[in-house]
Amino acid sequence: EPEVTQTPSHQVTQMGQEVILRCVPISNHLYFYWYRQILGQKVEFLVSFYNNEISEKSEIFDDQFSVERPDGSNFTLKIRSTKLEDSAMYFCASSQRPAAGEYNEKLFFGSGTQLSVL
Amino acid sequence: TQLLEQSPQFLSIQEGENLTVYCNSSSVFSSLQWYRQEPGEGPVLLVTVVTGGEVKKLKRLTFQFGDARKDSSLHITAAQPGDTGLYLCAGERPNDYKLSFGAGTTVTVRA
Repeated sequence: EPEVTQTPSHQVTQMGQEVILRCVPISNHLYFYWYRQILGQKVEFLVSFYNNEISEKSEIFDDQFSVERPDGSNFTLKIRSTKLEDSAMYFCASSQRPAAGEYNEKLFFGSGTQLSVL
Repeated sequence: TQLLEQSPQFLSIQEGENLTVYCNSSSVFSSLQWYRQEPGEGPVLLVTVVTGGEVKKLKRLTFQFGDARKDSSLHITAAQPGDTGLYLCAGERPNDYKLSFGAGTTVTVRA
């Protein structure tokens, strides 16, 4: 079965440093998402991306965050100046159609990147 | 406040027993999804329910969507140690192009 791949699986960085989390969505998917899960807390939506622009973002996704699809296969999440509270598991997901109710679309999640900010 | 409230937060049972996990909200959802997440892995979709009152079965797992589409339940019959994991419900509200997740229920099935 096709899968979403994320690299690296673990990332350790110093506070204030920039990090880029990488994702390769499933090849024929058009909608891309980032979610994060702080240890012991629920999975939280960060951003959705379609047609080379952000469709929707949460209040977590502030100016320190950005997303990019630099080529036809990669989808990246950049955190410009990391903070301690950015430590979390970051999940990339993709779908063929919008993850909206009328489509009942299945989201495929990657295995995540564990980000630790020291 | 959480959009989706899951209960209980933790559940530990003996192999062979039954269990039910609940997912409740005051909001109406177009669909509700149940995921299972293993440590260090991403959520894996188990089922999507879309019609009020809908019941779906997946082997020993039974999923129900409330008539008003505000709540859902997951029932596991004759639980096995392999059922151990974090069970997450996630909902899509009408015209809301994202999933909202519950906090999850950690299920432990003891052999």
